[in-house]
Amino acid sequence: AQRVTQPEKLLSVFKGAPVELKCNYSYSGSPELFWYVQYSRQRLQLLLRHISRESIKGFTADLNKGETSFHLKKPFAQEEDSAMYYCALSGSGANSKLTFGKGITLSVRP
Amino acid sequence: DAGVTQSPTHLIKTRGQHVTLRCSPISGHKSVSWYQQVLGQGPQFIFQYYEKEERGRGNFPDRFSARQFPNYSSELNVNALLLGDSALYLCASAYTDTQYFGPGTRLTVL
Repeated sequence: AQRVTQPEKLLSVFKGAPVELKCNYSYSGSPELFWYVQYSRQRLQLLLRHISRESIKGFTADLNKGETSFHLKKPFAQEEDSAMYYCALSGSGANSKLTFGKGITLSVRP
Repeated sequence: DAGVTQSPTHLIKTRGQHVTLRCSPISGHKSVSWYQQVLGQGPQFIFQYYEKEERGRGNFPDRFSARQFPNYSSELNVNALLLGDSALYLCASAYTDTQYFGPGTRLTVL
């Protein structure tokens, strides 16, 4: 069975502080890992995926297969980063479902 | 492209009634998936369709059904509504393995 665990519900930091949003997964095989973000009153949107190894809006995430983790990091948080963040997993291929974690609210204070 | 569109935006039904939710994917996307998001939880997979065929089904009762049309749009049907079906229903379309989400339909069952 595939499972995604986001152990924290809320992370509150001051602007300029580093951010790490934790994500652990369980999957037998080679998973595809994603981070989705939902800003206030907007739809769920893809932030980044592990296979592209990009940095989006200053965020990065490294897949650690040994620890089965895919933590999202940003060195200096901005107020506009305040949102709900979901870690998600799918199997490979075009026809695989996404399994989401419960999400974490990131609040960046001025 | 407007992205994935869903209708209606909001819906109020009473227990025992039936509901149909609609989704139009991004042009060129042949895969459509449906998710249920209950308050405080991440989206949960309901169905996936690809080229009009069901490719995956989540752990939902038979009261939930879906179909995909030749133009790749999709409908999600829920019969004999229960209070617990109150949720945000999300549709996502994909060309490869990255899913793009619609704004959702908020269903309230009274």
